Amino acid sequence: AQTVTQSQPEMSVQEAETVTLSCTYDTSESDYYLFWYKQPPSRQMILVIRQEAYKQQNATENRFSVNFQKAAKSFSLKISDSQLGDAAMYFCALTPGYGGSQGNLIFGKGTKLSVKP
Amino acid sequence: GAVVSQHPSRVICKSGTSVKIECRSLDFQATTMFWYRQFPKQSLMLMATSNEGSKATYEQGVEKDKFLINHASLTLSTLTVTSAHPEDSSFYICSARMDRGGYGYTFGSGTRLTVV
Repeated sequence: AQTVTQSQPEMSVQEAETVTLSCTYDTSESDYYLFWYKQPPSRQMILVIRQEAYKQQNATENRFSVNFQKAAKSFSLKISDSQLGDAAMYFCALTPGYGGSQGNLIFGKGTKLSVKP
Repeated sequence: GAVVSQHPSRVICKSGTSVKIECRSLDFQATTMFWYRQFPKQSLMLMATSNEGSKATYEQGVEKDKFLINHASLTLSTLTVTSAHPEDSSFYICSARMDRGGYGYTFGSGTRLTVV
């Protein structure tokens, strides 16, 4: 079975500061993809960043970066220069790679991020 | 970019009636559509996976006869909640996968269903 665990139900950060959201996962697949999705109050799921497991280099998208530790099965999200618009629910997700599975995303329980002005 | 249009965004129906939720891929062909249910302050729970032209695959515990999924074309998938009851009230989200890799997942904007 594949699982995604987010151990921080809620986090808070001061505007312009940096915050790191934690995620660990478990999978027996050798090829898989990891994601961070943002769900603001509108509840639209928005892709923040993705990481291919075969790539050693950590993914970066502007103020968002990940720390991907494959051996430890850890995939944390760092948000730099936090903005008020970053306040949302953040979900870590996993999907196996090519072949075999039906390819659905497996989500963690989410971390609610608050940004204080 | 790829867009999935989900309608309606909100619906209120009476107990015992049926409600249909549509998800359309506007600028790509969605060979696979995933349907999720999300309770307040909780994560997304996969209900079923539908592939164009074939029967949907339901997750354990999801009633096939209550949640009817149809994926008749590469651009349209529907979820029909039959004989709705108040406990079916929830937020339903569809997600389309564009390729077999891990890149192409696009979400609809969700439907808030309230059964009174």
